[in-house]
Amino acid sequence: DAKTTQPPSMDCAEGRAANLPCNHSTISGNEYVYWYRQIHSQGPQYIIHGLKNNETNEMASLIITEDRKSSTLILPHATLRDTAVYYCIVQGAQKLVFGQGTRLTINP
Amino acid sequence: EAEVAQSPRYKITEKSQAVAFWCDPISGHATLYWYRQILGQGPELLVQFQDESVVDDSQLPKDRFSAERLKGVDSTLKIQPAELGDSAMYLCASSFIRSYNEQFFGPGTRLTVL
Repeated sequence: DAKTTQPPSMDCAEGRAANLPCNHSTISGNEYVYWYRQIHSQGPQYIIHGLKNNETNEMASLIITEDRKSSTLILPHATLRDTAVYYCIVQGAQKLVFGQGTRLTINP
Repeated sequence: EAEVAQSPRYKITEKSQAVAFWCDPISGHATLYWYRQILGQGPELLVQFQDESVVDDSQLPKDRFSAERLKGVDSTLKIQPAELGDSAMYLCASSFIRSYNEQFFGPGTRLTVL
């Protein structure tokens, strides 16, 4: 499974867009990019996934570069409830492998 | 909204004791996963079931851990004997098909081994 690199922590002001980067330079052609988040003391929660096209749902947008070596998760209007650890995962035929993620703190 | 149920939410035990965790996945989800999450790290898959069959237990410490899903619905994860290093959050997840697409996680069981 391809590995991912994420910044360990980020801050964002409430109401602003939160942009969380992820590098996955060794991703292969059939591997998807998944994003999960984990709010303190809860189980992880699925956010979004994509292969090569940009994706949007009610929670977030996922922007994948054309070479697929990096991606950005965008929370368009961050709220205090978006404070969590965000995991970027590249998944092929094998299991989901969680890294240490990015701890996003939304500040009032 | 359907949820994955886990019990107990918290468990404190002494080393060398046996401990068991229970998980009830979302109805209709054929795939069930047990993860272990050490404080400050991401979850690590221990075992995956497809219906009642184990499809991946490569990271399960089989000398002390066991997992079963006898009727292909709920599942039990057991540790015997527990060791200090087993202190962690044990998470159960389920998905509709074996696609790793969207896994639904339960609230977890926080285990403390003294």
